[in-house]
Amino acid sequence: QSALTQPASVSGSPGQSITISCTGSSSDIGNSNHVSWYQQHPGKVPKVVIYDVNTRPLGVSDHFSGSKSGNTASLTITGLQAEDEADYYCKSYTVTKTYVFGTGTKVTVL
Amino acid sequence: QVQLVQSGTEVKRPGASVRVSCKASGNPFNNYFIHWVRQAPGQAPGQGLEWIGTINPNTGTTRVAQMLQDRVTLPRDMSTNTMYMEVSSLRPDDTAVYYCALEAAGTYFLHYWGQGALVTVSS
Repeated sequence: QSALTQPASVSGSPGQSITISCTGSSSDIGNSNHVSWYQQHPGKVPKVVIYDVNTRPLGVSDHFSGSKSGNTASLTITGLQAEDEADYYCKSYTVTKTYVFGTGTKVTVL
Repeated sequence: QVQLVQSGTEVKRPGASVRVSCKASGNPFNNYFIHWVRQAPGQAPGQGLEWIGTINPNTGTTRVAQMLQDRVTLPRDMSTNTMYMEVSSLRPDDTAVYYCALEAAGTYFLHYWGQGALVTVSS
């Protein structure tokens, strides 16, 4: 199972919106509603910000949102803030009942 | 509050085996799965997250990523609520921080994470 493909880096100014894509295949994203996104600050453990494609866990800011179309999932951060600067990883359940992570995206707030 | 506490740093020679433990406390959900994820050290996201496998502690059922199936086992000790990950035939590219993480059964995402255990494979 190959890693899902994400852009290596995305940047934006404070207040702007950015979108991170996550491209897989019909073996994972294309046939799964269980796509989640994790935020990881340097030296910290990952934290889930979106699950089941577009659901925010309790306590996660509503400026995170998720979507999916075909084999590609997306995470959008609206009103970018300094504390959003981190690495972001998508993860998808697969048809073989395993999981696969994305390659990761470094978000930089300019 | 659920806590996952992992064992400490390990240094191993190529070809050796390693066992990392993960003890759950603080009333985990009645039904939960423990997942194992690893991350090579260095500047992320070049060193991204890799899903290793998962165990249902109640039944002992496991699933392991295909690429690691022949080298990874996931035993458990329910008397102490401790899960283990064992990797055999270690190679230098197995050097990574190994995390355990908890999924409330049927939610398909990782709620809680252990602090990570660094495993270094070097001759």
